Amino acid sequence: RKEVEQDPGPFNVPEGATVAFNCTYSNSASQSFFWYRQDCRKEPKLLMSVYSSGNEDGRFTAQLNRASQYISLLIRDSKLSDSATYLCAAEAAGNKLTFGGGTRVLVKP
Amino acid sequence: DVKVTQSSRYLVKRTGEKVFLECVQDMDHENMFWYRQDPGLGLRLIYFSYDVKMKEKGDIPEGYSVSREKKERFSLILESASTNQTSMYLCASSQFRARYEQYFGPGTRLTVT
Repeated sequence: RKEVEQDPGPFNVPEGATVAFNCTYSNSASQSFFWYRQDCRKEPKLLMSVYSSGNEDGRFTAQLNRASQYISLLIRDSKLSDSATYLCAAEAAGNKLTFGGGTRVLVKP
Repeated sequence: DVKVTQSSRYLVKRTGEKVFLECVQDMDHENMFWYRQDPGLGLRLIYFSYDVKMKEKGDIPEGYSVSREKKERFSLILESASTNQTSMYLCASSQFRARYEQYFGPGTRLTVT
């Protein structure tokens, strides 16, 4: 089993709609989690850090469910510019980050 | 803004060649990382460094080595390139106290023929 798993998608989302997707992790000792955004043919960029139960930044909300070992990302009022691949990352043993394979989101007019 | 630059965007090398990929960051970050990204496999950590002349193996170090002689520069070396090392290579850096909040370079797409 992969340490961090994501549904690859794509999630096809009408503009203005809400979309949510999850990331599951296997290491129960992980304390810190992150969402990175990666546009096509670009480098990943940090979107949000999650250190406790959740975090909110504008239209983006991340929630952590430790009991079920997953993190979710919710995007409200989706914009065309939200189309990207969203990478989930979890703190791993040895001061490393382990990344999931990414979830692709396509926002359509 | 943090800037992480990588020496090449695209590189084509032959099997058996020694390949150097260079990464430079301009924000005085202590931590630097090398990842490779492959479809379906995501980002995988090759090596990382928390200080000058210091290196730690990541999850897939076989076939690679690194060098960090200066704080701002972290080099990835493929001693003898093989076709299974064809990939996108991404360098990242972060502050010591925020090691997981990483800033990535634009990547080098390496093709080994």
